[in-house]
Amino acid sequence: AQKITQTQPGMFVQEKEAVTLDCTYDTSDQSYGLFWYKQPSSGEMIFLIYQGSYDEQNATEGRYSLNFQKARKSANLVISASQLGDSAMYFCAMRRPSGGYNKLIFGAGTRLAVHP
Amino acid sequence: DTGVSQNPRHKITKRGQNVTFRCDPISEHNRLYWYRQTLGQGPEFLTYFQNEAQLEKSRLLSDRFSAERPKGSFSTLEIQRTEQGDSAMYLCASSSSTGGRAEAFFGQGTRLTVV
Repeated sequence: AQKITQTQPGMFVQEKEAVTLDCTYDTSDQSYGLFWYKQPSSGEMIFLIYQGSYDEQNATEGRYSLNFQKARKSANLVISASQLGDSAMYFCAMRRPSGGYNKLIFGAGTRLAVHP
Repeated sequence: DTGVSQNPRHKITKRGQNVTFRCDPISEHNRLYWYRQTLGQGPEFLTYFQNEAQLEKSRLLSDRFSAERPKGSFSTLEIQRTEQGDSAMYLCASSSSTGGRAEAFFGQGTRLTVV
C-alpha cells in the first residue's frame, strides 16, 4: 500500500535560518510524483514543489528545494532563509498515475513555526 | 480566473440535516477532486471527476455522500443525514491532464461543523 510518513509533528526555526522537513514514502510503483504543499491557517493548500520519480536533478523553486533520495524513498523539503510567513502546516504527498487516477496521498503534516 | 473557489467557507448544521457544498474549479482544468481533512491530519481522497464522469470513489464516501459535476464544470458534494463524525474541512482541487507535473490547485475549503 502507498503511504507517506512525516515523522516531525512540529518544527521550530529562527528567522533567516534554513530548515529541513522530513518525508518518507512507500510505493512499489516505478513512476510516481512527489509534492509538497503549504497550508496556512486560512486552510488553502498551496503548491510548493514537485519531484518526478525519474527526475535526476533535485527540484528547486525559489527558496524551496527537495532533497530526493530515491533509494531511501525520502523526499525532504528544505526551506532556505526562513521568513515569518513560512509559519504553517506542510504536507508531503505522493501521486500514483497508474490505477490511482492521479489522486494525492498525503502525510500527516509538519507544523513549522518561524521565530523572529 | 483567480483559482479554485469553494462555497460556503463555513457551515454549521444540526445532526440529521442535509448539506451541499459547491466547488468551481479553474476553468481550463478537466480534473476535479474532493478531499476531506480532519483536525491534525492530512487530506484524504474522497472522489475524482474527469470532465463530467466520476471515475473513482473512496471507501470513505459512504452512501450518505454524493458528488456531481454536471457538464464538467462546477461540482457539488452533498451529505445527507449528517453525523457528528462528518465534521471536517472539505477541500476541492482541480488539475489539468496535460503536462508532467499537473499539480493540483486547491480551494480554501468548506469547514463543516455538525452539532
